[in-house]
Amino acid sequence: EDQVTQSPEALRLQEGESSSLNCSYTVSGLRGLFWYRQDPGKGPEFLFTLYSAGEEKEKERLKATLTKKESFLHITAPKPEDSATYLCAVRGPPGNTGKLIFGQGTTLQVKP
Amino acid sequence: EAGVTQFPSHSVIEKGQTVTLRCDPISGHDNLYWYRRVMGKEIKFLLHFVKESKQDESGMPNNRFLAERTGGTYSTLKVQPAELEDSGVYFCASSEGPTDTQYFGPGTRLTVL
Repeated sequence: EDQVTQSPEALRLQEGESSSLNCSYTVSGLRGLFWYRQDPGKGPEFLFTLYSAGEEKEKERLKATLTKKESFLHITAPKPEDSATYLCAVRGPPGNTGKLIFGQGTTLQVKP
Repeated sequence: EAGVTQFPSHSVIEKGQTVTLRCDPISGHDNLYWYRRVMGKEIKFLLHFVKESKQDESGMPNNRFLAERTGGTYSTLKVQPAELEDSGVYFCASSEGPTDTQYFGPGTRLTVL
């Protein structure tokens, strides 16, 4: 069964304290791994798509990487405005169409 | 460019009543998706439209849920009759193609009392 597991569930950082969020996945035939950011009361906001092992993408203080079994979201020198829930999702094999399978998310709090 | 919009933002109904949620996708997006998040759980897929056709409805929980997308533009999700376990946040997303990035709306928070 296709599955996505994120860790930790919650993470508290001081401003400037870099860290990484983990997303482990089990899917037969990965057709994309997606990172979203979700603020309270809002919908998920797209951050990155990764397709193959070794791929990396960056945006401001965020960098996403992908291996055959997991993805990491590295946050460098975070600021309080980076506080949010970060969601990882995978798209499954052909026949699965556009369906995304989500993890439970990691809630990040960055204190000034 | 306007994003995905959803209406209402909140709905509180009693068990046994009917509720209809609406989603307006990004203009030009043929693919529209419904997801929901119940308390303490991850976001789960409900169904996928390509234009007005249901491409994948494998996530629909039961026949109390009816989704439509007449004319291939906006979509509605009706729950009839609503049960307590239907409470949660219902998200709509849209994309140009089925393998393109999905952009999410703000969600509708449904509370069934």
